[in-house]
Amino acid sequence: DAGVIQSPRHEVTEMGQEVTLRCKPISGHDYLFWYRQTMMRGLELLIYFNNNVPIDDSGMPEDRFSAKMPNASFSTLKIQPSEPRDSAVYFCASSPGQGHEQFFGPGTRLTVL
Amino acid sequence: SQQGEEDPQALSIQEGENATMNCSYKTSINNLQWYRQNSGRGLVHLILIRSNEREKHSGRLRVTLDTSKKSSSLLITASRAADTASYFCATDSNDYKLSFGAGTTVTVRA
Repeated sequence: DAGVIQSPRHEVTEMGQEVTLRCKPISGHDYLFWYRQTMMRGLELLIYFNNNVPIDDSGMPEDRFSAKMPNASFSTLKIQPSEPRDSAVYFCASSPGQGHEQFFGPGTRLTVL
Repeated sequence: SQQGEEDPQALSIQEGENATMNCSYKTSINNLQWYRQNSGRGLVHLILIRSNEREKHSGRLRVTLDTSKKSSSLLITASRAADTASYFCATDSNDYKLSFGAGTTVTVRA
């Protein structure tokens, strides 16, 4: 298995632009998580899905952030409009079940100018 | 919010020495996990210890858990240059969300 796949690996955009991050979880994993990592705030859980259904989005910072999981093999995290404070590394992770280890993707480093 | 807090924030050791880092948390947990993150990479799961376990081993790693003190420790024995990374503890509470600490940065000098 290729592991969790994220794209793009790097994204540089200007303030106000829409940004879409993509994730392909490990096949057979029922849980998918989106995290954001910054020096100031560490690793924060933004949202997680179980069987493609959003379960907890309490970590999503603002209405500018939205996430979807249209099927078991694909999820997106969208920021519209983007702001410089959104600059961070965004990780996607998947897990086979509750209380199991999580498998992280390589991350997308987002820079908003 | 971060429930786990690692200590120390940074650790520098000589190759071959042991490295010990600690994690404290606030609320009851189902399990506690340790992850490693190399610079510029995603997190890699190292070991999971359940709330009814006290000690667990995996290769050169030893993890202990003291639920009465709400603390855990990760010991890396006979460290290698490749162990240079940041190490995070993550607690899994009743809501099954992982809460990560700020991490311990370990530097192993050759």
